[in-house]
Amino acid sequence: EAGVAQSPRYKIIEKRQSVAFWCNPISGHATLYWYQQILGQGPKLLIQFQNNGVVDDSQLPKDRFSAERLKGVDSTLKIQPAKLEDSAVYLCASSSISRGPRGELFFGEGSRLTVL
Amino acid sequence: AQKVTQAQTEISVVEKEDVTLDCVYETRDTTYYLFWYKQPPSGELVFLIRRNSFDEQNEISGRYSWNFQKSTSSFNFTITASQVVDSAVYFCALKAAGNKLTFGGGTRVLVKP
Repeated sequence: EAGVAQSPRYKIIEKRQSVAFWCNPISGHATLYWYQQILGQGPKLLIQFQNNGVVDDSQLPKDRFSAERLKGVDSTLKIQPAKLEDSAVYLCASSSISRGPRGELFFGEGSRLTVL
Repeated sequence: AQKVTQAQTEISVVEKEDVTLDCVYETRDTTYYLFWYKQPPSGELVFLIRRNSFDEQNEISGRYSWNFQKSTSSFNFTITASQVVDSAVYFCALKAAGNKLTFGGGTRVLVKP
């Protein structure tokens, strides 16, 4: 079974530029998550989708971050314009809805963003 | 609101020593799940163990064991006979209503040969 795929693995941009990250979850997983992990900290949830609907985006900085999951499969996270403090690893995860809250999340390798 | 606290930021041990990682959580929900994840230098978070809120039986799985105490809201994790490959950052996490997984700040474990 293929894992969670993310791209690009690394991205370096200047502040005020834009960037987009892509995630393809494990096949059949209805729930998809985007986390931000700043160096030395635990991952922080940005947005959670169930199929193509948003379940929780309370911690997403909506003035600059946006995410979509149009067909309920893969997802894109965009940052525009980027700030220095957006430098972090962006982790995508998915889980099976049939397992409910006991289901573990499966994570991709992450996309490391450096904003100069 | 959910909160997970890992007070230990870094632990250093010599190979074959046991390592215990502390985790304290907060939630108002009566049904919840607790997890431990490992993040090796490669960066990918790997699921290790899970415990539900209504079963306080402690378990052992290979070299991993965990101690869940609802009375103190603690979910501690032990690696027995540590190996160099255990060097990683370990995260405790909580999932309650809404399937949102909340992580602690992590504990870096360094196992020296």
